[in-house]
Amino acid sequence: SQQGEEDPQALSIQEGENATMNCSYKTSINNLQWYRQNSGRGLVHLILIRSNEREKHSGRLRVTLDTSKKSSSLLITASRAADTASYFCATLRGSTLGRLYFGRGTQLTVWP
Amino acid sequence: DTEVTQTPKHLVMGMTNKKSLKCEQHMGHRAMYWYKQKAKKPPELMFVYSYEKLSINESVPSRFSPECPNSSLLNLHLHALQPEDSALYLCASSQERLLAGGNNEQFFGPGTRLTVL
Repeated sequence: SQQGEEDPQALSIQEGENATMNCSYKTSINNLQWYRQNSGRGLVHLILIRSNEREKHSGRLRVTLDTSKKSSSLLITASRAADTASYFCATLRGSTLGRLYFGRGTQLTVWP
Repeated sequence: DTEVTQTPKHLVMGMTNKKSLKCEQHMGHRAMYWYKQKAKKPPELMFVYSYEKLSINESVPSRFSPECPNSSLLNLHLHALQPEDSALYLCASSQERLLAGGNNEQFFGPGTRLTVL
């Protein structure tokens, strides 16, 4: 079953703008991961943040985690048309090793 | 090799057919997963194999039968499926399934698009 909720469900922006997606979850976690999925394809792991970390960067990606609010955000800077995809957050709980709980996802469209 | 491969890419089958989906990875991962994904929905976990043993079955109907012949291969045998079983079936693998505090970063295959008529 799902664990997280992404917000917004859909986001449409112009190339060069920043895109921010949020994820909330309900229980304590071991880590939180963001995945990207192009239409009808497999998921690609983007970035992972552990429960004792607050912020992480990878290229144009910035992830924050607020465990007190049980929320995370994914920021994509200087977006490109190729960033158009669905983005999912997934949490790993300490008590259920190996089982990821996916949120509903945000569909990002970047217009050239 | 950091790739998970799945065959076939597309499959159309009738409700009386028997077919199999195949998944392969050569990353030395000891955990492998089957997910089902409907359009515009997140992946739903079906099965988890850890060290070639079935460790999680998410109450999946018996018309889906998983098999893990060795640490690199994962099959999903299909029999007497229903039209509502039409979906994208994703295979994934990960390295740190059983280690407490492990990351469980999962590597996904491209999926098999299944249509049941």
